[in-house]
Amino acid sequence: GAGVSQSPSNKVTEKGKDVELRCDPISGHTALYWYRQSLGQGLEFLIYFQGNSAPDKSGLPSDRFSAERTGGSVSTLTIQRTQQEDSAVYLCATKFRVDNEQFFGPGTRLTVL
Amino acid sequence: QQQVKQSPQSLIVQKGGISIINCAYENTAFDYFPWYQQFPGKGPALLIAIRPDVSEKKEGRFTISFNKSAKQFSLHIMDSQPGDSATYFCAASMGGSNYKLTFGKGTLLTVNP
Repeated sequence: GAGVSQSPSNKVTEKGKDVELRCDPISGHTALYWYRQSLGQGLEFLIYFQGNSAPDKSGLPSDRFSAERTGGSVSTLTIQRTQQEDSAVYLCATKFRVDNEQFFGPGTRLTVL
Repeated sequence: QQQVKQSPQSLIVQKGGISIINCAYENTAFDYFPWYQQFPGKGPALLIAIRPDVSEKKEGRFTISFNKSAKQFSLHIMDSQPGDSATYFCAASMGGSNYKLTFGKGTLLTVNP
C-alpha cells in the first residue's frame, strides 16, 4: 500500500556532474509525471509517460534533461552537466489511467554547488 | 506566460477564521481544477478538485467556488486550524494535454492559535 517513492531524498552535486533521480510509482498507475519545484517558480511540468506511448517531453528545459520509464514502472530523470540553476525539488507524480488525481512522491531535493 | 495566477502569496489567519485563496486562469480549454496542500518536506497532496460544470464543491471545511465566465476559482477554508498551516497550490489541466498540471505559484497559509 505504499505511495509514490523517490530516491534519493537529497542530492548534493558539483556543477558539471551528471545526476540520476528515481521514481517508483504506485502499483497499477500507468501515467507518470515529473515536475520541478523551484523557489519563486512554483511547480513546473517536465515530462509525462503513459503506458507505451511516446512521452510528452514538452516541459524539459534543455537537452541536458532526459527521462526514461522502463517496463512501464520505474522512471529515472537524468540531468547531465548540472548547473546551479538546476537546484530545485524534483517531484514525481503518478495516476491511474482513467482518473484525474495525481499522487505525488516526497521529492528529491537537488543542490548543485 | 503564466497560465494560472494565484493570490495572495502569503496569508495569516487567526484560528477559527476563514482563509480565502484565489486563482485565475487564461486557457478556456482547462477542464479540471484541483487544489493541492503541501507541508514542508512533503509532496503536494490533493485537497479538493472541481470541474467547470459546477459552481461550488464542498468537502468538510474546504470549499471551491468556481466562476467560469470570469475564469476564476477560489478555495475557502472555514474554521481554519493551526494544522491547516501549509502551502496551497491551485492548478488546472485538460484531458487533451495528457492531464499535465499547470500550477499557480502557491500561497503560504499560517493559522495562528
